[in-house]
Amino acid sequence: NAGVTQTPKFRILKIGQSMTLQCTQDMNHNYMYWYRQDPGMGLKLIYYSVGAGITDKGEVPNGYNVSRSTTEDFPLRLELAAPSQTSVYFCASSLSSGNTIYFGEGSWLTVV
Amino acid sequence: GENVEQHPSTLSVQEGDSAVIKCTYSDSASNYFPWYKQELGKGPQLIIDIRSNVGEKKDQRIAVTLNKTAKHFSLHITETQPEDSAVYFCAARRGSSNTGKLIFGQGTTLQVKP
Repeated sequence: NAGVTQTPKFRILKIGQSMTLQCTQDMNHNYMYWYRQDPGMGLKLIYYSVGAGITDKGEVPNGYNVSRSTTEDFPLRLELAAPSQTSVYFCASSLSSGNTIYFGEGSWLTVV
Repeated sequence: GENVEQHPSTLSVQEGDSAVIKCTYSDSASNYFPWYKQELGKGPQLIIDIRSNVGEKKDQRIAVTLNKTAKHFSLHITETQPEDSAVYFCAARRGSSNTGKLIFGQGTTLQVKP
């Protein structure tokens, strides 16, 4: 019963490098989300998707891109890493807009 | 857009005492209010939620109350135990939205001292 799985768990990036955070869910959920969590700031929505082929911006999308080619996967791409992107990233999913949102374990990213 | 404020940011209680965390929201169209518990190194986990057609909901030692007029909701934990120590987040979701996205409060770090 895997739920929402994120990889990698930890990553250190140099300024200007690119990387992709992977997220997959095995619950056949239509909705998927990426949040970032900064100390004392709660969780901020980066991007979300209501189904395969559909993505939209959240509260803090700048510097990130997403794609949703399948129901299961929702990768988050950082193109030119900046120190301001040092954060903990959480992927989440829900069956529909009115259902419980389930979170992954998080990915700790440091940009130096 | 929606804005959720959460207080206090830290809370320390003695084992067995009660803990109360409060949140206010700005969007009167919000109608779903979950509470998440986040343990160290883990993702947030839903512990209880309430919808706007209900004023109170209980689940064993935890309860949530909602005051729609004042636009605030609270988490109550009774008979606290050391394993209740964690960061707690409140959130709100707009009822008319078809995106399902939650807006979170800033979080409360609860410490239960044995």
